[in-house]
Amino acid sequence: GAVVSQHPSRVICKSGTSVKIECRSLDFQATTMFWYRQFPKKSLMLMATSNEGSKATYEQGVEKDKFLINHASLTLSTLTVTSAHPEDSSFYICSAPNVAKNIQYFGAGTRLSVL
Amino acid sequence: AQSVSQHNHHVILSEAASLELGCNYSYGGTVNLFWYVQYPGQHLQLLLKYFSGDPLVKGIKGFEAEFIKSKFSFNLRKPSVQWSDTAEYFCAVNAGSSSNTGKLIFGQGTTLQVKP
Repeated sequence: GAVVSQHPSRVICKSGTSVKIECRSLDFQATTMFWYRQFPKKSLMLMATSNEGSKATYEQGVEKDKFLINHASLTLSTLTVTSAHPEDSSFYICSAPNVAKNIQYFGAGTRLSVL
Repeated sequence: AQSVSQHNHHVILSEAASLELGCNYSYGGTVNLFWYVQYPGQHLQLLLKYFSGDPLVKGIKGFEAEFIKSKFSFNLRKPSVQWSDTAEYFCAVNAGSSSNTGKLIFGQGTTLQVKP
């Protein structure tokens, strides 16, 4: 079964609204999680590193005010796309490393469509 | 900055054909190398990884990859593909100190379509 749960799997929203995506590690704690964005026919692009108890680290070119990341607990990180616009439509994927097992697990992804 | 390049964007093979997907990376230091697979409608799964040691690594489902340091390459191979291997394949790297738990830089992905 899945060891990283990502929710929702699909969301359709109106332009200007905010959307929250959750990433949960099941059965293990993750002080760090990663958020990726995947464009059609393109690779996964690392957006940011989510750090439990501290600010997220954003990659160059990613707007931190646009993509709010909160790592509230050792098993939950959330990505909020604020004031979403059609160009934010994409596939968002999170990952959580299980340090004890030295394995990184990926969520199933969230398909965001902004109308 | 690290970067990963996969040369084949879309590969179509018949069952039992041999497979080789190219992957080259750009990074001056020690790297860890990975191949992930994404079956239709499913999440990314690790196929195999290289940290150190024998440059020929074997993964799940009969896949293997060879790390050639001089060529900055980590090509994925399978001697005989099956219809069930139809999926998206991603090569990825991270800095050597991060092992398997650090942020990953992905290649563009290769869509493999295996015809029965």
